[in-house]
Amino acid sequence: DVKVTQSSRYLVKRTGEKVFLECVQDMDHENMFWYRQDPGLGLRLIYFSYDVKMKEKGDIPEGYSVSREKKERFSLILESASTNQTSMYLCASSLRAVGSGTDTQYFGPGTRLTVL
Amino acid sequence: RKEVEQDPGPFNVPEGATVAFNCTYSNSASQSFFWYRQDCRKEPKLLMSVYSSGNEDGRFTAQLNRASQYISLLIRDSKLSDSATYLCAVNGRAENYGGSQGNLIFGKGTKLSVKP
Repeated sequence: DVKVTQSSRYLVKRTGEKVFLECVQDMDHENMFWYRQDPGLGLRLIYFSYDVKMKEKGDIPEGYSVSREKKERFSLILESASTNQTSMYLCASSLRAVGSGTDTQYFGPGTRLTVL
Repeated sequence: RKEVEQDPGPFNVPEGATVAFNCTYSNSASQSFFWYRQDCRKEPKLLMSVYSSGNEDGRFTAQLNRASQYISLLIRDSKLSDSATYLCAVNGRAENYGGSQGNLIFGKGTKLSVKP
């Protein structure tokens, strides 16, 4: 079974704090993703990585950065948290697909971040 | 046209009913299609992949219509435990994501509520 874990289920931070969200997968997947999910807006891709030390911007990268120093670990960083970053953050991973398709993404349990 | 669109629902059905969801997509070059299930305050979990020839898993049937660019999910004999939000996912345009083929675009989900 694929397992994707996230460092915290619930997190409360103050405006201006630096926040680290950690994600680890144990299936040797090449691709890793960070999403946020908000009511009415669905899942929105923040950043993704298809290899160690590689990163690509998703649809809403502003205010976030990422780090992938090891294949199994992908970190999301909020340099200076703001109240509009209160959200559910979901990490996912997938194998690199062969050809033009895309392999299934497997999600971690999510981190519900509240910024006061 | 949005990249992936779903009727948000909610669909309120009695136990034992048959219910169908559609999901339209805009990228005619898409090759990978999935249905995910998401319970309240939980992460999305893969329900089934959608194959060109259609596929069935117990009470669930998924179909792909390439000509009209939609996928469908049929649930027969609905159970109370089927109550959840169902998300469709389609692989995104590589040119929008640094040339990577690894991305999925998710619909916002259709909420299903099965009543006794």
